[in-house]
Formats: sequence, C-alpha cells, structure tokens
Amino acid sequence: NAGVTQTPKFQVLKTGQSMTLQCAQDMNHNSMYWYRQDPGMGLRLIYYSASEGTTDKGEVPNGYNVSRLNKREFSLRLESAAPSQTSVYFCASSRDNYGYTFGSGTRLTVV
Amino acid sequence: DAKTTQPPSMDCAEGRAANLPCNHSTISGNEYVYWYRQIHSQGPQYIIHGLKNNETNEMASLIITEDRKSSTLILPHATLRDTAVYYCIVRPLGSGNTGKLIFGQGTTLQVKP
Repeated sequence: NAGVTQTPKFQVLKTGQSMTLQCAQDMNHNSMYWYRQDPGMGLRLIYYSASEGTTDKGEVPNGYNVSRLNKREFSLRLESAAPSQTSVYFCASSRDNYGYTFGSGTRLTVV
Repeated sequence: DAKTTQPPSMDCAEGRAANLPCNHSTISGNEYVYWYRQIHSQGPQYIIHGLKNNETNEMASLIITEDRKSSTLILPHATLRDTAVYYCIVRPLGSGNTGKLIFGQGTTLQVKP
C-alpha cells in the first residue's frame, strides 16, 4: 500500500518552461489536493478536487492548472514557470472526515 | 473557517510530556479540531482529531475545553523524533470544499536530550 505517490521528487526548470507534477493515490479516496510550501512557511492550498471530475481553486491558484484524470490521479501543471514558483509541492488525498494523507513532496527550483 | 492561534515555538525535555496549546475561540459547532505535524522536509502527518470529547490514540491525546475555544495536544513521552512543526487546524466534517485544510504557521516543537 503506497499511499500517495508524487513524481518527480526533484526538478529544476528554466523560467518559461512548462511541466506537470504527477500525483497518484491507491486508497480509493474521493478528494485530492495540491499544496505548496515556501521556505520557513506553512502550506498553502493551490487547487483541490472534491471528487472525480471536479476541481476548484484554493488560496494561491494563479499560474497553475490541474487535471483530475480519474479517481486515483490528480496532476498539477505549470504552463510557464516563474522563479516565484520555486517551492516544495505536496499532494494529499482524503476520504470525508478522515485525516489527510500527504505525499513526500516535489522540490521544484525555477531559475 | 475558524482561525487558530498557536505559540510559534516550544521546547520539551526528552521523556517528558509535551503539551501544545491551540486557541480557536471562533470555532463553529460543526467544526472539528485536527492536529498534524511536519517533520523536517517531509509531508505533514495526521495525528489526531476531535469534536468535543477528549481523544487518545497511539500517538497522542487531545484535550478540548468544554467551551471548545481551546485545545491541547499532549505527547506523553516526547522523543527526539517528535521534533517537528505541529499544526492545529479547525474544519467542518467532509472532504473537498468543506473539508479542505488551511494551514497556519504552527508550533515548532524542539525536543532536547
């Protein structure tokens, strides 16, 4: 039982490049989330998906797009990366009122 | 969502109980109190949650005041591996829109030998 798997674990991008962060969960959870965490800061919600086929903006959605491909997978896309998007990105999933399960994170640097 | 207030940092001696306070004076009747922790560079880890009764699991105990305006997370015998940032979050039942977690700054707990 892998829980929440994020790929890649590390990535360096040049300004203006695009990339997709992948997230998959094997717990049959309905809801999935993307957070970012800047150095010394708490986590901020980017986008979430309450169920397959739905997505909604969180606190800091600008510069990102998401796709809930199926119940298992929720991807985050940066169309034109900027240095301000240098951060650690965490994906999470949850089932109703149970606790969230987080992935181990993707460390992204935009130069 | 109700906001929470936590001290920015605390120290605790190894083997002693760590008591982490959280103020949530504007909590609504349908909101639960959740605790998560984040050990350096890792994803946050769920610890415990409760509505109004005290709760205990293998990791910790959660004490919620009768008026529900504050709570305390208790790690009964802190170890060095408990050094982490601890987040207190209040949110209603449910997932997706109603259940999304909004993180504050948390309390950095340093367990010392």
